[in-house]
Amino acid sequence: AQKVTQAQTEISVVEKEDVTLDCVYETRDTTYYLFWYKQPPSGELVFLIRRNSFDEQNEISGRYSWNFQKSTSSFNFTITASQVVDSAVYFCALSEAVGDNYGQNFVFGPGTRLSVLP
Amino acid sequence: SQTIHQWPATLVQPVGSPLSLECTVEGTSNPNLYWYRQAAGRGLQLLFYSVGIGQISSEVPQNLSASRPQDRQFILSSKKLLLSDSGFYLCAWSDPAGGSYEQYFGPGTRLTVT
Repeated sequence: AQKVTQAQTEISVVEKEDVTLDCVYETRDTTYYLFWYKQPPSGELVFLIRRNSFDEQNEISGRYSWNFQKSTSSFNFTITASQVVDSAVYFCALSEAVGDNYGQNFVFGPGTRLSVLP
Repeated sequence: SQTIHQWPATLVQPVGSPLSLECTVEGTSNPNLYWYRQAAGRGLQLLFYSVGIGQISSEVPQNLSASRPQDRQFILSSKKLLLSDSGFYLCAWSDPAGGSYEQYFGPGTRLTVT
């Protein structure tokens, strides 16, 4: 069965520091999708990024970057020059295919609470 | 564009009372729909998912039930609430035909059972 581990329960950094959130996953499938979500204090989960198992290219979006490494089953998320607004709980998630429907088998990690202090 | 609505936003109910939470999606057809629960300070627990009208799969046996009476409507119910049902309930949708697979979440309902 698939599993997502986020070993860091809580992280505190000072504004402008870089921070990396770790995500390690387990799956038997060769085709799968990985995701990161942000949950600010308001509670709504915000989708950040999707990566499929065939695309190991790292991605950068502004201050956010993602490092996907199949060899270590990791999909880490780095925030550069962190800001107070980055304070949130961040979830990593894994989706495996069920037939042609990838939506059914979606597993979230336990989340990492990031606090960015001014 | 697609939007997802949930109501109510907050709810305080006594133990033993019934529950009905509603979720609707706009701007898409035949979505997969999901109900999650998040206990305070905890991760997300998938409760139910649906791939079509009347098709409900339960992930965790409990006193909750779900129904999908219309394509873009998903309802979470209980006949008798327990204290342990308190939590933050999130509805989500995904597009199984769109090739993207990510789930998009509603604003959530914060339920307190007293």
